[in-house]
Amino acid sequence: DTGVSQDPRHKITKRGQNVTFRCDPISEHNRLYWYRQTLGQGPEFLTYFQNEAQLEKSRLLSDRFSAERPKGSFSTLEIQRTEQGDSAMYLCASSLGDTGGAGHEQYFGPGTRLTVT
Amino acid sequence: AQKVTQAQTEISVVEKEDVTLDCVYETRDTTYYLFWYKQPPSGELVFLIRRNSFDEQNEISGRYSWNFQKSTSSFNFTITASQVVDSAVYFCALSEAGASGGYNKLIFGAGTRLAVHP
Repeated sequence: DTGVSQDPRHKITKRGQNVTFRCDPISEHNRLYWYRQTLGQGPEFLTYFQNEAQLEKSRLLSDRFSAERPKGSFSTLEIQRTEQGDSAMYLCASSLGDTGGAGHEQYFGPGTRLTVT
Repeated sequence: AQKVTQAQTEISVVEKEDVTLDCVYETRDTTYYLFWYKQPPSGELVFLIRRNSFDEQNEISGRYSWNFQKSTSSFNFTITASQVVDSAVYFCALSEAGASGGYNKLIFGAGTRLAVHP
């Protein structure tokens, strides 16, 4: 199975520490998305990449958050100086994106659950 | 601004009952896409269906059916003869078309938690 994978699946960290998450998209997908989901809510968009270019960033993505996709394949999401409010599930998704025609569905990974103590 | 409203927070049914999950959306764009995703207890979002704004035909896939009505900005999802395995949180989502003809971010509703009891 070559679905979207995320690592780690769970992360517990102390407030003020930095954390980094990794996402490996489906290999032929050129678009990659990050979302955040808190308990009882739907996922909220954070940012997305087409190949290595970061095309959109949400206002939710404060200066403490940074995302990269250096070679247009895997992506990392780093949170610096974590706060308790950062506790959430961080979801990665990928899709095709530049072949024209109808929009393409996004396929999601299992997520990384972050707990900031 | 884009917005998706799923007014039903939780629905509880007995197995074999039919159940409809409501979704109402807001957008100013004429070209957009609507989606339904399922999030079972394991947590991973599973894609169910995509519909573009120019295609109002209803769709049926096994026990699942979707009713898209632009006049009321609704995209409702019906499960016929529900089963315990249908228990999950269901999300409706909206996206506008991107410049390339694809689309960008998904705007999700808050979800409807469906519990199907034996």
